[in-house]
Amino acid sequence: DAGVIQSPRHEVTEMGQEVTLRCKPISGHNSLFWYRQTMMRGLELLIYFNNNVPIDDSGMPEDRFSAKMPNASFSTLKIQPSEPRDSAVYFCASSLRGFLQPQHFGDGTRLSIL
Amino acid sequence: GDSVTQMEGPVTLSEEAFLTINCTYTATGYPSLFWYVQYPGEGLQLLLKATKADDKGSNKGFEATYRKETTSFHLEKGSVQVSDSAVYFCALSVGGSEKLVFGKGMKLTVNP
Repeated sequence: DAGVIQSPRHEVTEMGQEVTLRCKPISGHNSLFWYRQTMMRGLELLIYFNNNVPIDDSGMPEDRFSAKMPNASFSTLKIQPSEPRDSAVYFCASSLRGFLQPQHFGDGTRLSIL
Repeated sequence: GDSVTQMEGPVTLSEEAFLTINCTYTATGYPSLFWYVQYPGEGLQLLLKATKADDKGSNKGFEATYRKETTSFHLEKGSVQVSDSAVYFCALSVGGSEKLVFGKGMKLTVNP
């Protein structure tokens, strides 16, 4: 079975540019999560969706960040404008709905903002 | 708020050594507890879980027991292998929420 697919795997861009990260969840999963991983802060939940509807976006750092899930098989995380402090590894995860369901993570996007 | 504290790493062990990774938590409600593992270059994957006091989660030779009295969920393995080299994350969720709160993670390297 295909796992969670994220693209791109690596992104290097200059400060001020718009960045779009993409995620395809596992087919049949109805919960989707976006995380950010840094050395300083560890792994933080940014936002999660149930059935394409955002449930908790309290982890989104500021208005420069936005996430959408237009359908059950696709989600984007957008940063506009990007800043060097946004450099991190961004993970998407999906699961069946329910707090005991394991979250399946993609391999992540390593983002570097110069 | 809810939080997870893990022992500092990184840790290097020899193959067949005993492993303990400490994890303690604070929670506003009754948490469910998880261990996730991240192999090099990959995303995290669930290793084991426990949902109530005295439950023991186990998988791939790893074990962790939910200790409510000490608010702990320490991970143990009796004999580690080189293939266990990874970063290990303790996590919790509270109140039936799907939102996971992770510890900082601990990097383990096992040498042959």
